[in-house]
Amino acid sequence: GDSVTQMEGPVTLSEEAFLTINCTYTATGYPSLFWYVQYPGEGLQLLLKATKADDKGSNKGFEATYRKETTSFHLEKGSVQVSDSAVYFCALPNYGGSQGNLIFGKGTKLSVKP
Amino acid sequence: ETGVTQSPTHLIKTRGQQVTLRCSSQSGHNTVSWYQQALGQGPQFIFQYYREEENGRGNFPPRFSGLQFPNYSSELNVNALELDDSALYLCASSLSGAQQETQYFGPGTRLLVL
Repeated sequence: GDSVTQMEGPVTLSEEAFLTINCTYTATGYPSLFWYVQYPGEGLQLLLKATKADDKGSNKGFEATYRKETTSFHLEKGSVQVSDSAVYFCALPNYGGSQGNLIFGKGTKLSVKP
Repeated sequence: ETGVTQSPTHLIKTRGQQVTLRCSSQSGHNTVSWYQQALGQGPQFIFQYYREEENGRGNFPPRFSGLQFPNYSSELNVNALELDDSALYLCASSLSGAQQETQYFGPGTRLLVL
């Protein structure tokens, strides 16, 4: 079935460092791809999305490019801030199963130190 | 634009009891999905409601049930609570059709079963 694999965390970076969080997927066809962020004690917020191959989603300085050749959607940010400390989830819609539900990766915890 | 709201924020129950969680969808959204997020894991799909009917279900037993009301708000009911039901329960709303894959989450209800 469809699935998402994220890099294991936690990831610890210093402020202003470059961030990459890897995400690869397995799916039939070419699904939309999403990144969600979960700040401590909160629900999930949609960070960015891409709906077709080679699309680049971006928001709040974060970017991710939909690469169908490598079935990847890696999240990047050029200069992280302490306020970026959170858990990041990669997700895709489960077209093969229940309509419209999202399949999530296990999440990658990011800690940014001042 | 009003976002997704959930109540209560926290809840403590004992094994065998029943619980009802509530969700109000984002303004204009007619589809509601429920997810369970265990500690340190990604959200797992429970079920989705559209037009007051269950529109898809994940791998959860029948003691997890739900409702959707004419104003699109929704309830999640869990009977005969088990210790493993302790988790963050997330509600997400979306538009229907092709746009249902983009889901917006509420802050969640944290349930502890003792």
